[in-house]
Amino acid sequence: DTAVSQTPKYLVTQMGNDKSIKCEQNLGHDTMYWYKQDSKKFLKIMFSYNNKELIINETVPNRFSPKSPDKAHLNLHINSLELGDSAVYFCASSQDGGRGRKAFFGQGTRLTVV
Amino acid sequence: TQLLEQSPQFLSIQEGENLTVYCNSSSVFSSLQWYRQEPGEGPVLLVTVVTGGEVKKLKRLTFQFGDARKDSSLHITAAQPGDTGLYLCAGVNNAGNMLTFGGGTRLMVKP
Repeated sequence: DTAVSQTPKYLVTQMGNDKSIKCEQNLGHDTMYWYKQDSKKFLKIMFSYNNKELIINETVPNRFSPKSPDKAHLNLHINSLELGDSAVYFCASSQDGGRGRKAFFGQGTRLTVV
Repeated sequence: TQLLEQSPQFLSIQEGENLTVYCNSSSVFSSLQWYRQEPGEGPVLLVTVVTGGEVKKLKRLTFQFGDARKDSSLHITAAQPGDTGLYLCAGVNNAGNMLTFGGGTRLMVKP
């Protein structure tokens, strides 16, 4: 069973569209994350979210919004897509507590905006 | 914002050689993690180092956390083609709710 699953794996869409990427974790973790990996493979945190607080990286445009229907899901909604949004987006989860927290990553969603 | 710098960015070596990858920051992290990422996959955790000066070994991989908990290194002995991949270090902040990744080191081991 996949611990952290993302859908879709590939997403090609036109500029200006609104799209969502779904993420589900079956690990019972308290915290979920969204990361953006650019063409140079740099992984940048976008959001960190648990049932207590949402931490937003201040550099993330407000066109991006996380939506969590429940503890096991953290979806990423993107409005008015731009060419620069093209990247691979990774969802991850970890269990709260302790300095040794271990993050499990999904396989990524490759978003291409044309 | 806590930043992590990895070096080198790219490394191409022959099978059997040794190598070291460095991860440096001006910030203190509560712990530091190393991940490996294969093409088309998400990062997979290799190790977490928590205590300043800590050394952990994973077969031919040796991980060290700096005494001041600001830097870390990954040393691979007798590299093999199967070690090829993207190696990422990530620091955990004091609140324990954020992972900050370094820029990654792309390693290629040629047979």
